[in-house]
Amino acid sequence: SQQGEEDPQALSIQEGENATMNCSYKTSINNLQWYRQNSGRGLVHLILIRSNEREKHSGRLRVTLDTSKKSSSLLITASRAADTASYFCATDAREYGNKLVFGAGTILRVKS
Amino acid sequence: EPEVTQTPSHQVTQMGQEVILRCVPISNHLYFYWYRQILGQKVEFLVSFYNNEISEKSEIFDDQFSVERPDGSNFTLKIRSTKLEDSAMYFCASTRLAGVNNEQFFGPGTRLTVL
Repeated sequence: SQQGEEDPQALSIQEGENATMNCSYKTSINNLQWYRQNSGRGLVHLILIRSNEREKHSGRLRVTLDTSKKSSSLLITASRAADTASYFCATDAREYGNKLVFGAGTILRVKS
Repeated sequence: EPEVTQTPSHQVTQMGQEVILRCVPISNHLYFYWYRQILGQKVEFLVSFYNNEISEKSEIFDDQFSVERPDGSNFTLKIRSTKLEDSAMYFCASTRLAGVNNEQFFGPGTRLTVL
């Protein structure tokens, strides 16, 4: 079964606007993590939210987690052109052990 | 700030050849992982390694793959006889803790091209 599916698949916004990306998953989780990947590059860890947390902030990032709906959202406020990248959610699911299961990602384009 | 490093950044090889991808995890981390990402696709788990042994492996990680921690710092992935479909970006990751605080840090990746 698929775990960690993001939507939208692609998002294009103007600089200064907020960007919201969503992630859904299917099994119980230990935590959910968000990563950024610039084209063809490595994965940069953005934020981890534990299964007993509902919201977490880091700079311009806000992550929410709703375990009843098995969903998470990543909000980037006041977006910048440098935020242009792919964003992935990854779940550490109790069923699977410590490995991360990644979604397909959201491609964010911030136009200046 | 400590980071995971990987070498080489790009490896080109002929089908059937052996390749070794190298990683240096963050020094106080205990759990190590390899993932791969075929161009345009999801990041997929290959194998996890803890206490000098494999703790979990995926269906992708067949007999052609092996991992080793030959010393206190390096973590390697070997593909014995590469196939065209092994072409992908390979990421090493490490974490200090398991469970709810399992924050995995990834290296920059090795792009493997099999011709």
